[in-house]
Amino acid sequence: DTAVSQTPKYLVTQMGNDKSIKCEQNLGHDTMYWYKQDSKKFLKIMFSYNNKELIINETVPNRFSPKSPDKAHLNLHIKSLELGDSAVYFCASSQGRNYEQYFGPGTRLTVT
Amino acid sequence: DQQVKQNSPSLSVQEGRISILNCDYTNSMFDYFLWYKKYPAEGPTFLISISSIKDKNEDGRFTVFLNKSAKHLSLHIVPSQPGDSAVYFCFFSRGSQGNLIFGKGTKLSVKP
Repeated sequence: DTAVSQTPKYLVTQMGNDKSIKCEQNLGHDTMYWYKQDSKKFLKIMFSYNNKELIINETVPNRFSPKSPDKAHLNLHIKSLELGDSAVYFCASSQGRNYEQYFGPGTRLTVT
Repeated sequence: DQQVKQNSPSLSVQEGRISILNCDYTNSMFDYFLWYKKYPAEGPTFLISISSIKDKNEDGRFTVFLNKSAKHLSLHIVPSQPGDSAVYFCFFSRGSQGNLIFGKGTKLSVKP
């Protein structure tokens, strides 16, 4: 039974398109995160929600918008995709802000 | 991010020996420190953590050391096993407001 799941696992799309990545956790956690791992393998925080409230919003283009319909879900919407958005995107969750996070398997986004 | 340095991109160790992974940081406001392990094509997995009020935390074969005066975090794995071969990331956080930063990762190879 997967703790943190992401869909899709792979996403190939063209520049200018709009796409979404979904994340769900069944751990009962109240905090969820989105991270981006770029081509150099650096993992960077993008957003964090606690009880559906945005608590971390790093310097990310406003083409990226997270949406948390409930505590178990945190989706990532990306508008007008650019080549530089190609990366692996990881969703994670934790109970509170202790940062002992459980990560999903990642979504590899390729923009052509 | 220059607040955190994980300077060794790779480390090779013989099975049964000790593996020592290191991170240095500059931000004295960090108060919670973690290590994550990552296998290819998977999300990071939480390994062990330490708060700023401690200088050592052990969990089985894994021990994390924090030297606040030197702003140095290390992970010791004893004895190392081939299954420990993975990329190890240090992770730093400040309070409940975030400032969540991953190191660049060290690829550990444990040879039988």
